[in-house]
Amino acid sequence: GQQVMQIPQYQHVQEGEDFTTYCNSSTTLSNIQWYKQRPGGHPVFLIQLVKSGEVKKQKRLTFQFGEAKKNSSLHITATQTTDVGTYFCAGMKVIQGAQKLVFGQGTRLTINP
Amino acid sequence: NAGVTQTPKFQVLKTGQSMTLQCAQDMNHEYMSWYRQDPGMGLRLIHYSVGAGITDQGEVPNGYNVSRSTTEDFPLRLLSAAPSQTSVYFCASSSHGGGRNTIYFGEGSWLTVV
Repeated sequence: GQQVMQIPQYQHVQEGEDFTTYCNSSTTLSNIQWYKQRPGGHPVFLIQLVKSGEVKKQKRLTFQFGEAKKNSSLHITATQTTDVGTYFCAGMKVIQGAQKLVFGQGTRLTINP
Repeated sequence: NAGVTQTPKFQVLKTGQSMTLQCAQDMNHEYMSWYRQDPGMGLRLIHYSVGAGITDQGEVPNGYNVSRSTTEDFPLRLLSAAPSQTSVYFCASSSHGGGRNTIYFGEGSWLTVV
C-alpha cells in the first residue's frame, strides 16, 4: 500500500537513555527523509538518506537506511530534554506511476528529566 | 527570507461555512503542498502543485480546493466545512517535488469546525 509504517507510536524515556524509532515500507524507497516536530511546532527537516546501507550521524543522532531500501531508523544516544518532540520519517515511493513522498505516522518522544 | 508563511494561525468555523487558508513562500520554490495532521495519522497530503497553473490531488483531497496562480501563493479552500476537517494544516514548499529536496513547512493553521 501507500503507507510507510513507523514504530513505536509513543516512547517515554528517562533523560540519558537511548531512543530508537523505526520506519518500514513494503516497497523500495528511492530515498528517505527524517523530520522533527517540537510540541506545538511544525516539522523541521533533519536529514535525507539516499544510498542503500547509508549511515549518517548528527552529533547524538544516527540515521540508517536499510540495504534493501525498505526500512530506516533514527537512534538518539543519551537523550536530553531538548530531544522531546515527534520524529517523522518520509519515504519517496512510486504511487500510480508517480514519485510521491509518504510520511510515517510519527514517533512521539517524551523524556523524564 | 520569511520562508513559508501561513495564515490564519487559528480559526473556528461553523459547519457549512467556507474559508481559505493562505500560504505564501518567498524562496521561489516550484513545488508547494498542503498537508493535514491528525493524532496518530501523521501528515497526509491534501493537494500539491508542481508550478504555477498546475495542481493535483494528494491522498485526502475531498472537501478542499486549491489554485496556483503565482509561484509564491498556494491557497487552500474549504468549500463547506465539516467537523471531520478539524485538524492542523501545514503548507509546505520545496525546490523540487517528490522528496528530492528538503521540504520547508509553514508554522501551521489550527482549524476547529463546530
